[in-house]
Amino acid sequence: EVQLVESGGALIQPGGSLRLSCAASGFTFSSYEMHWVRQAPGKGLEWVSHISTDGGPRYYADSVTGRFTISRDNAKNSVYLQMNSLRAEDTAFYYCARVQRGQPDHWGQGTLVTVSS
Amino acid sequence: QSVLTQPPSVSAAPGQKVSISCSGSSSSIGSNYVSWYQQFPGTAPKLLIYDNNRRPSGIPDRFSGSKSGTSATLGITGLQAGDEADYYCGTWDSSLSVGVFGTGTKVTVL
Repeated sequence: EVQLVESGGALIQPGGSLRLSCAASGFTFSSYEMHWVRQAPGKGLEWVSHISTDGGPRYYADSVTGRFTISRDNAKNSVYLQMNSLRAEDTAFYYCARVQRGQPDHWGQGTLVTVSS
Repeated sequence: QSVLTQPPSVSAAPGQKVSISCSGSSSSIGSNYVSWYQQFPGTAPKLLIYDNNRRPSGIPDRFSGSKSGTSATLGITGLQAGDEADYYCGTWDSSLSVGVFGTGTKVTVL
């Protein structure tokens, strides 16, 4: 069974940093590209970032470019999202998702990031 | 940044059919597969349709997808109370190299 478990969400002050983790199991992690997707409370889905299977090509939404960094460790079956210079508008549930042909097919349960003083 | 346009809400009586449209561009829907997701409050999105019109195992055939040009459509037939949820389309934008999701549609069963 495919499982994705996010962790690392917290209450953080504006300007702070946070690192989210996503532990994958139940599939050959190194064969799949991965996304991070976020959803502000009561709002729609917003794609955040994408990483290729070997950690090569990485893509970001304009709203996080220069502040967020996606990475992965295939030996640990994990993908990460390093978030710096956090803003109030970054407050959201953050989901990691497995990707096939550009489409997220399995999602984690999400981890909540709250940016507030 | 690129976004896909969906109607904010659709509604119908139990047993009826609803269709949800998703409008994009030549570089998004026009060039890539479209997927659809169902989301209940407080839970993660769940894949309903992938590759424009394919259903994952366990998804009933009441759910269907189609794509034409730069638009896609999700159909739900035999509407049930348990179908009340938010629905999102999604794809990749090859020109911008970004993922894109629809604005979301709330389905209400009258």
